[in-house]
Amino acid sequence: QKEVEQNSGPLSVPEGAIASLNCTYSDRGSQSFFWYRQYSGKSPELIMFIYSNGDKEDGRFTAQLNKASQYVSLLIRDSQPSDSATYLCAAPSGNTPLVFGKGTRLSVIA
Amino acid sequence: DGGITQSPKYLFRKEGQNVTLSCEQNLNHDAMYWYRQDPGQGLRLIYYSQIVNDFQKGDIAEGYSVSREKKESFPLTVTSAQKNPTAFYLCASQLGGGNQPQHFGDGTRLSIL
Repeated sequence: QKEVEQNSGPLSVPEGAIASLNCTYSDRGSQSFFWYRQYSGKSPELIMFIYSNGDKEDGRFTAQLNKASQYVSLLIRDSQPSDSATYLCAAPSGNTPLVFGKGTRLSVIA
Repeated sequence: DGGITQSPKYLFRKEGQNVTLSCEQNLNHDAMYWYRQDPGQGLRLIYYSQIVNDFQKGDIAEGYSVSREKKESFPLTVTSAQKNPTAFYLCASQLGGGNQPQHFGDGTRLSIL
């Protein structure tokens, strides 16, 4: 069973700090990685995706991928209380559906 | 305006009753998925369909049934055999293969009366 692992948290950071969310995956064949944000009581929303080793930046968000270490992370710069949510990491595994991690709960303290 | 529509937003089930959750998409996506999410937990895959008239069981298919008669529609029936149906149900769709992201509807919250 292919797996995507995340620390469940909660991860607490002060407002304005950098939040670092981490994810490891077991399938070396995975080619793409997705980060979703899920507010309490709402559905997951795609916020970032990355296909290549290295960094990908979009506004305050940076996704980092290291395929050799099977590690993908999401950095949130200048964290705001509105960033408080659960962040889900997902990766494909062969012809099966996306494998989702259980999510990391982030709390940004004002 | 393209998207995934789930209805109803809230649903109540009586003992011994089957209920059907609707999921419609106008994104022309090939694949559709149903997930269950319990409070404070991750997503668990119930059923998925990659083409019309074909679907596969996920990790927790017992007590559920689906159909995929049209590309746009993937309804989920929660049968009376599902003894603990109270949960948040999420429908998702995906264009093409596994390297594409899934996009989610707003969800249906099911409770037992």
